[in-house]
Amino acid sequence: AQKITQTQPGMFVQEKEAVTLDCTYDTSDQSYGLFWYKQPSSGEMIFLIYQGSYDEQNATEGRYSLNFQKARKSANLVISASQLGDSAMYFCAMRSLIFGAGTRLFVKA
Amino acid sequence: GAGVSQSPSNKVTEKGKDVELRCDPISGHTALYWYRQSLGQGLEFLIYFQGNSAPDKSGLPSDRFSAERTGGSVSTLTIQRTQQEDSAVYLCASSSGQGGLAEAFFGQGTRLTVV
Repeated sequence: AQKITQTQPGMFVQEKEAVTLDCTYDTSDQSYGLFWYKQPSSGEMIFLIYQGSYDEQNATEGRYSLNFQKARKSANLVISASQLGDSAMYFCAMRSLIFGAGTRLFVKA
Repeated sequence: GAGVSQSPSNKVTEKGKDVELRCDPISGHTALYWYRQSLGQGLEFLIYFQGNSAPDKSGLPSDRFSAERTGGSVSTLTIQRTQQEDSAVYLCASSSGQGGLAEAFFGQGTRLTVV
């Protein structure tokens, strides 16, 4: 069975510092995609970053990077230089079908 | 607009009534997903349409739930004989890729309240 696990219900980070949100996954598929989405309090779901299972490089998108460790089945999201607007729920997902429970990030001024 | 559109944005219904939720995906997107999100929770996958293939219905919680996608475009999620536990936000998303390997673009959701 495919599963996404996010073990951090809530995280605090100081503005301008970096933060890592954890995500581990379980799948027997050889080809898969891992996604991170952001959900602000407004409720919209916003795509952040994608990592394909065969991608050799870790994905990066601006201040977001994905620390992909295939052998450990982890795909942690790193947000650098946190901003107040980063305060939101963050979901890790596989194939856009299986979502983790989410991590609520609070950025402190 | 160019995004995923869902209607209605809010729906209040009496227990036992049927409801239909509509999703208009981004034009040209072959994949369409329905999810349910209860307050403060993650997304629960309901159903996935990919092109002309048979939909993946493995996430539907009961036979009261059904969905169809006409002409590979608009989709309707139907909940029959609604129960209070059906109260949630129902999100629809579409994607251009196959096998869930492309980013999904989400609608704003339909907030369903069963009273």
